[in-house]
Amino acid sequence: DTGVSQNPRHKITKRGQNVTFRCDPISEHNRLYWYRQTLGQGPEFLTYFQNEAQLEKSRLLSDRFSAERPKGSFSTLEIQRTEQGDSAMYLCASSSQGGPYNEQFFGPGTRLTVL
Amino acid sequence: KQEVTQIPAALSVPEGENLVLNCSFTDSAIYNLQWFRQDHGKGLTSLLLIQSSQREQTSGRLNASLDKSSGRSTLYIAASQPGDSATYLCAVRMDSNYQLIWGAGTKLIIKP
Repeated sequence: DTGVSQNPRHKITKRGQNVTFRCDPISEHNRLYWYRQTLGQGPEFLTYFQNEAQLEKSRLLSDRFSAERPKGSFSTLEIQRTEQGDSAMYLCASSSQGGPYNEQFFGPGTRLTVL
Repeated sequence: KQEVTQIPAALSVPEGENLVLNCSFTDSAIYNLQWFRQDHGKGLTSLLLIQSSQREQTSGRLNASLDKSSGRSTLYIAASQPGDSATYLCAVRMDSNYQLIWGAGTKLIIKP
């Protein structure tokens, strides 16, 4: 399978704990995006990488959130001191700079539940 | 600030009917518009992408149109099937950056 993969698929944690999610993009894609989606809403943009450089960050990405893409391949999203409001589906997407339309392809998401 | 709206929020139709889903956006300076499908609790599947210079795109029973000047896109589904039941989301990418800005989706139920 050469699609975008995300791990874990589900995470349940207690308030105040730290969590980390991983995204593996399509192998030839150099752009990687993180979005957050709460129930009944469309996704909201969090951040974007081109290769290893983080080029855009949403104001939604508070100081408790950090994302990395150290070698320009996989990415991690860490949430520190989780709050119940962080409960959501975290979606990762990738796209190719060389593609004609920069179409974004999405992974299955990581569903986070903060108790 | 770009805002994307999808109406209706939910739609239920009998199997076999043709139907239209609507998406509107407030800022016409878009780079492209994508339609996605999301099954309950799952990730997003890209259905169609329309560049700002295009008027429509077709894939099988799906046809998406774009009227950039009026800030509207429609997704036409022909001969609907129960397997089409899902939430359909539209998202626009602006000229100025790479992030997608999303509507809240239309939840579609096709009754057998």
